[in-house]
Parts: sequence; structure tokens; C-alpha cells
Amino acid sequence: TQLLEQSPQFLSIQEGENLTVYCNSSSVFSSLQWYRQEPGEGPVLLVTVVTGGEVKKLKRLTFQFGDARKDSSLHITAAQPGDTGLYLCAFPGRGQNFVFGPGTRLSVLP
Amino acid sequence: NAGVTQTPKFRILKIGQSMTLQCTQDMNHNYMYWYRQDPGMGLKLIYYSVGAGITDKGEVPNGYNVSRSTTEDFPLRLELAAPSQTSVYFCASSYSTFGGRGKAFFGQGTRLTVV
Repeated sequence: TQLLEQSPQFLSIQEGENLTVYCNSSSVFSSLQWYRQEPGEGPVLLVTVVTGGEVKKLKRLTFQFGDARKDSSLHITAAQPGDTGLYLCAFPGRGQNFVFGPGTRLSVLP
Repeated sequence: NAGVTQTPKFRILKIGQSMTLQCTQDMNHNYMYWYRQDPGMGLKLIYYSVGAGITDKGEVPNGYNVSRSTTEDFPLRLELAAPSQTSVYFCASSYSTFGGRGKAFFGQGTRLTVV
């Protein structure tokens, strides 16, 4: 069974700080996605990474796919309260579906 | 631009009652999914569908049923509700599969409490 681990489980930081969250597995993935879920809402896709070593940037967010395609990281520069939410990574599961990790819950305090 | 719409947003059920969670999408997506999210946890797949008339079980299907008579609608039926089914339920749809660089669009969720 393919499993995703995410760390840390919880993270509380001050506005303006930098942070990195991780998504790890023992399995190799063809691709991996990151979603952000704000309180009371459904997850929203941030990025898809497909190539080992790939780096994608989305404003202050930098996503990296590990060279071996077993892990990924999300780095946020100068975090803002609007970045608060649950960050989920997901990989393609059997049967055409999306399998999600447990998430990292980020709180950015003003 | 409605996207994925779920109703109701909140519901309290008594043990043993039944209900249907409604999900409809207006993006003409073939793929639709039902997930549940327990407090502090990620999303677990209950059922999914790859097109009208085709459904399959996910990771946690026990106690639920689905149907897909149209492309737009994918209702989730709870029979004989149990406290273990207290959760937030999310419906999602996608144009293609993950392998096809698919993007999952989610509804706002239904918060269900079984007492």
C-alpha cells in the first residue's frame, strides 16, 4: 500500500517567517500534487510536479519534487496570514483516483 | 461559475437514520469522487466514478452507497447512520485522471454529525 507522510503535522509561525513542509513516501510516483484547504472549504490545487528534481514557483511558494520522485517539499517565503490552512499532498492512486496525505496544518499569526 | 455543489452544508442525523448527500458539477467532468475527512486527518476515498453508470469502491466504502445516472450528479447514500460516520464529506470532480495531469475540483463539503 502506497502511503504518504507529511511533516510537520502542525506549524505555527509569525507573519514574515519562512517555512518548509515535507511530503514523503517509500514509493516512487509518476507525479505529485499539492493542495491548500482553508477552514470550511474544500482543497484547492496549487501545483502538479511530474519530473524528478523539478522546481515550480507560485509567487512566494516554491515546490520541489525529489530527484527520486519519492518526496516533495513546499517552501513559503515571508509567510502571511492568508497562507493559513491545511496543506495536502496527493499522488495518483489505483483506479483513477487521487490519494491524499494527512496534511500539514499551518497557522500564520499576524 | 458554480463548479462542484454539495448539499446540505450541515446535517445532524440520529443513529440508524438514512440520508443522501447531493453532489452536482457543471464542468462536464467524467470523473467524480466522494471523500471523507475526519478531524485532523487527510482525505479518505469512499467511492468514485469514471463516468455515468460506472462506480467503484474506494478505501472506506462500508456503510455507503453511490449511483451515477448522469454525468452531472453523484449522490452518496448513508444507510443506517452510525457515530463513526460523523465527518466532513467532500465531493470532487476532474476532467482527467491524475495520470493525465488531472486537477480535482472540490465542493465546499457537508459536515455530518451522527448522534
